[in-house]
Amino acid sequence: NAGVTQTPKFRILKIGQSMTLQCTQDMNHNYMYWYRQDPGMGLKLIYYSVGAGITDKGEVPNGYNVSRSTTEDFPLRLELAAPSQTSVYFCASSYSASGNTEAFFGQGTRLTVV
Amino acid sequence: DAKTTQPPSMDCAEGRAANLPCNHSTISGNEYVYWYRQIHSQGPQYIIHGLKNNETNEMASLIITEDRKSSTLILPHATLRDTAVYYCIVRVAGGTSYGKLTFGQGTILTVHP
Repeated sequence: NAGVTQTPKFRILKIGQSMTLQCTQDMNHNYMYWYRQDPGMGLKLIYYSVGAGITDKGEVPNGYNVSRSTTEDFPLRLELAAPSQTSVYFCASSYSASGNTEAFFGQGTRLTVV
Repeated sequence: DAKTTQPPSMDCAEGRAANLPCNHSTISGNEYVYWYRQIHSQGPQYIIHGLKNNETNEMASLIITEDRKSSTLILPHATLRDTAVYYCIVRVAGGTSYGKLTFGQGTILTVHP
Protein backbone atom coordinates (compact mmCIF):
# COMPACT_ATOMS: atom_id res chain seq x y z
CA ASN A 1 0.00 0.00 0.00
CA ALA A 2 1.53 3.32 -1.09
CA GLY A 3 -0.61 5.58 1.14
CA VAL A 4 0.60 9.20 0.92
CA THR A 5 3.59 9.75 -1.33
CA GLN A 6 5.65 12.94 -1.39
CA THR A 7 8.31 13.96 -3.88
CA PRO A 8 11.05 15.02 -3.77
CA LYS A 9 12.46 13.86 -0.42
CA PHE A 10 15.14 16.55 -0.36
CA ARG A 11 15.65 19.81 -2.24
CA ILE A 12 17.94 22.81 -2.05
CA LEU A 13 16.60 26.02 -3.57
CA LYS A 14 18.20 29.38 -4.11
CA ILE A 15 16.43 32.49 -2.84
CA GLY A 16 13.82 33.61 -5.36
CA GLN A 17 13.52 30.27 -7.12
CA SER A 18 10.22 28.45 -7.35
CA MET A 19 9.27 24.82 -6.99
CA THR A 20 6.33 22.48 -6.53
CA LEU A 21 6.19 19.86 -3.82
CA GLN A 22 4.18 16.91 -5.01
CA CYS A 23 1.75 14.90 -2.91
CA THR A 24 -0.43 12.04 -4.04
CA GLN A 25 -2.59 9.55 -2.12
CA ASP A 26 -4.15 6.32 -3.33
CA MET A 27 -6.75 5.88 -0.56
CA ASN A 28 -9.51 7.93 -2.23
CA HIS A 29 -9.47 10.39 0.67
CA ASN A 30 -11.44 13.59 0.37
CA TYR A 31 -9.40 15.64 2.82
CA MET A 32 -5.79 16.59 2.23
CA TYR A 33 -3.40 18.83 4.16
CA TRP A 34 -0.02 20.47 3.96
CA TYR A 35 1.97 21.06 7.14
CA ARG A 36 5.42 22.45 7.75
CA GLN A 37 7.69 21.61 10.66
CA ASP A 38 10.54 23.81 11.78
CA PRO A 39 13.34 22.34 13.92
CA GLY A 40 12.21 21.36 17.42
CA MET A 41 8.65 22.47 16.79
CA GLY A 42 5.31 20.84 16.13
CA LEU A 43 3.68 20.84 12.72
CA LYS A 44 1.82 23.91 11.47
CA LEU A 45 -0.97 23.79 8.88
CA ILE A 46 -0.28 25.65 5.62
CA TYR A 47 -3.27 24.77 3.41
CA TYR A 48 -5.95 22.15 3.31
CA SER A 49 -8.54 20.80 0.88
CA VAL A 50 -11.89 19.11 1.50
CA GLY A 51 -12.24 17.80 -2.04
CA ALA A 52 -11.28 18.35 -5.65
CA GLY A 53 -11.53 22.03 -6.55
CA ILE A 54 -11.81 23.22 -2.94
CA THR A 55 -8.88 24.59 -0.97
CA ASP A 56 -8.49 26.91 2.01
CA LYS A 57 -5.78 28.57 4.05
CA GLY A 58 -4.41 27.17 7.25
CA GLU A 59 -2.35 28.83 9.96
CA VAL A 60 0.73 29.79 7.87
CA PRO A 61 -0.26 30.18 4.18
CA ASN A 62 1.88 33.17 3.18
CA GLY A 63 4.35 32.40 0.41
CA TYR A 64 2.54 29.24 -0.73
CA ASN A 65 -0.17 28.24 -3.17
CA VAL A 66 -2.06 25.01 -3.70
CA SER A 67 -4.44 23.43 -6.17
CA ARG A 68 -6.60 20.32 -6.08
CA SER A 69 -7.66 19.29 -9.56
CA THR A 70 -8.05 15.61 -8.68
CA THR A 71 -8.89 13.65 -5.55
CA GLU A 72 -5.45 12.02 -5.57
CA ASP A 73 -3.12 15.00 -5.95
CA PHE A 74 -2.51 18.08 -3.82
CA PRO A 75 0.64 19.95 -4.94
CA LEU A 76 2.15 22.80 -2.92
CA ARG A 77 3.75 25.65 -4.84
CA LEU A 78 6.48 27.99 -3.59
CA GLU A 79 6.75 30.95 -5.96
CA LEU A 80 9.62 33.02 -4.55
CA ALA A 81 11.58 30.91 -2.12
CA ALA A 82 12.85 32.64 1.02
CA PRO A 83 15.17 31.36 3.78
CA SER A 84 12.19 31.41 6.17
CA GLN A 85 10.68 28.60 4.12
CA THR A 86 13.51 26.24 5.04
CA SER A 87 11.58 23.48 6.75
CA VAL A 88 10.30 19.92 6.49
CA TYR A 89 6.99 19.72 4.67
CA PHE A 90 4.45 16.99 5.34
CA CYS A 91 1.40 16.13 3.31
CA ALA A 92 -1.47 14.25 4.94
CA SER A 93 -4.87 12.88 4.01
CA SER A 94 -7.96 11.61 5.76
CA TYR A 95 -11.21 10.06 4.62
CA SER A 96 -13.45 12.52 6.46
CA ALA A 97 -13.48 15.09 9.25
CA SER A 98 -15.48 12.93 11.62
CA GLY A 99 -14.16 12.20 15.06
CA ASN A 100 -13.35 8.64 14.18
CA THR A 101 -11.06 9.38 11.28
CA GLU A 102 -7.30 9.30 11.47
CA ALA A 103 -4.90 11.20 9.25
CA PHE A 104 -2.19 9.51 7.22
CA PHE A 105 1.07 11.36 6.64
CA GLY A 106 3.71 11.18 3.96
CA GLN A 107 7.40 10.88 4.79
CA GLY A 108 8.12 14.53 4.21
CA THR A 109 10.12 16.81 1.92
CA ARG A 110 13.14 18.45 3.49
CA LEU A 111 13.62 21.86 1.86
CA THR A 112 16.58 24.18 2.32
CA VAL A 113 16.56 27.70 0.86
CA VAL A 114 19.98 29.33 0.55
CA ASP B 1 -9.64 23.30 19.35
CA ALA B 2 -8.70 22.90 23.01
CA LYS B 3 -5.07 23.40 23.95
CA THR B 4 -3.09 20.54 25.41
CA THR B 5 -0.21 20.46 27.86
CA GLN B 6 2.39 17.69 27.84
CA PRO B 7 5.69 17.25 29.67
CA PRO B 8 8.58 18.07 27.32
CA SER B 9 10.40 14.80 27.93
CA MET B 10 10.14 11.42 29.65
CA ASP B 11 12.31 8.35 30.05
CA CYS B 12 11.31 4.72 30.21
CA ALA B 13 13.17 1.43 30.60
CA GLU B 14 12.81 -1.11 27.82
CA GLY B 15 10.11 -3.66 28.61
CA ARG B 16 8.38 -1.43 31.11
CA ALA B 17 5.13 0.46 30.57
CA ALA B 18 5.43 4.04 29.35
CA ASN B 19 2.71 6.34 30.67
CA LEU B 20 2.47 9.66 28.84
CA PRO B 21 0.18 12.26 30.40
CA CYS B 22 -1.75 15.02 28.65
CA ASN B 23 -3.77 17.83 30.15
CA HIS B 24 -6.68 19.25 28.16
CA SER B 25 -8.69 21.05 30.81
CA THR B 26 -10.65 23.21 28.32
CA ILE B 27 -11.88 20.32 26.19
CA SER B 28 -15.43 20.56 24.89
CA GLY B 29 -18.00 17.81 24.75
CA ASN B 30 -17.63 17.23 21.02
CA GLU B 31 -13.83 17.11 20.98
CA TYR B 32 -11.86 13.91 20.61
CA VAL B 33 -8.43 13.17 22.08
CA TYR B 34 -5.93 11.90 19.51
CA TRP B 35 -2.39 10.63 19.93
CA TYR B 36 0.21 10.64 17.18
CA ARG B 37 3.92 9.98 17.32
CA GLN B 38 6.84 11.04 15.16
CA ILE B 39 9.90 8.84 14.97
CA HIS B 40 13.10 10.63 14.02
CA SER B 41 11.57 13.31 11.74
CA GLN B 42 9.46 10.82 9.79
CA GLY B 43 5.83 11.64 9.09
CA PRO B 44 3.59 11.51 12.17
CA GLN B 45 1.93 8.17 12.79
CA TYR B 46 -1.53 7.74 14.25
CA ILE B 47 -1.65 5.76 17.51
CA ILE B 48 -5.09 5.93 19.06
CA HIS B 49 -8.02 8.24 19.79
CA GLY B 50 -11.02 8.44 22.09
CA LEU B 51 -13.97 10.56 23.13
CA LYS B 52 -15.09 9.46 26.61
CA ASN B 53 -14.31 5.81 27.12
CA ASN B 54 -10.95 4.18 27.53
CA GLU B 55 -9.63 2.69 24.31
CA THR B 56 -7.13 -0.03 23.47
CA ASN B 57 -5.61 -1.18 20.22
CA GLU B 58 -2.59 -3.19 19.17
CA MET B 59 -0.25 -0.26 19.79
CA ALA B 60 -1.43 1.36 23.00
CA SER B 61 -4.15 2.12 25.53
CA LEU B 62 -5.78 5.48 26.12
CA ILE B 63 -7.16 6.33 29.53
CA ILE B 64 -9.41 9.41 29.70
CA THR B 65 -10.46 10.76 33.09
CA GLU B 66 -14.15 10.94 33.88
CA ASP B 67 -14.20 14.73 33.62
CA ARG B 68 -12.23 14.43 30.33
CA LYS B 69 -9.77 17.10 31.43
CA SER B 70 -6.77 14.83 31.11
CA SER B 71 -5.68 11.58 29.54
CA THR B 72 -2.81 9.10 29.61
CA LEU B 73 -1.33 7.17 26.71
CA ILE B 74 0.04 3.82 27.82
CA LEU B 75 2.58 1.81 25.84
CA PRO B 76 2.41 -1.47 27.77
CA HIS B 77 5.86 -2.87 26.95
CA ALA B 78 8.07 -0.12 25.58
CA THR B 79 10.81 -1.03 23.12
CA LEU B 80 13.72 1.00 21.78
CA ARG B 81 11.69 1.57 18.62
CA ASP B 82 9.11 3.48 20.66
CA THR B 83 11.59 6.32 21.17
CA ALA B 84 9.80 9.23 19.48
CA VAL B 85 7.98 12.51 19.98
CA TYR B 86 4.41 11.86 21.13
CA TYR B 87 1.72 14.42 20.37
CA CYS B 88 -1.57 14.69 22.22
CA ILE B 89 -4.12 16.55 20.07
CA VAL B 90 -7.68 17.54 20.75
CA ARG B 91 -9.94 18.22 17.81
CA VAL B 92 -13.57 18.80 17.03
CA ALA B 93 -15.35 16.10 15.10
CA GLY B 94 -16.70 17.31 11.74
CA GLY B 95 -18.06 20.81 11.25
CA THR B 96 -15.61 23.56 10.44
CA SER B 97 -12.65 21.66 11.86
CA TYR B 98 -12.30 19.85 8.51
CA GLY B 99 -10.06 17.32 10.25
CA LYS B 100 -7.32 19.87 10.84
CA LEU B 101 -4.80 18.94 13.52
CA THR B 102 -3.11 21.44 15.85
CA PHE B 103 0.24 20.14 17.01
CA GLY B 104 1.99 21.31 20.16
CA GLN B 105 5.60 20.46 20.92
CA GLY B 106 4.78 17.02 22.25
CA THR B 107 6.67 14.77 24.67
CA ILE B 108 10.02 13.32 23.72
CA LEU B 109 9.95 9.74 24.99
CA THR B 110 13.32 8.06 25.28
CA VAL B 111 13.33 4.32 25.90
CA HIS B 112 16.55 3.06 27.51
CA PRO B 113 17.99 -0.48 27.25
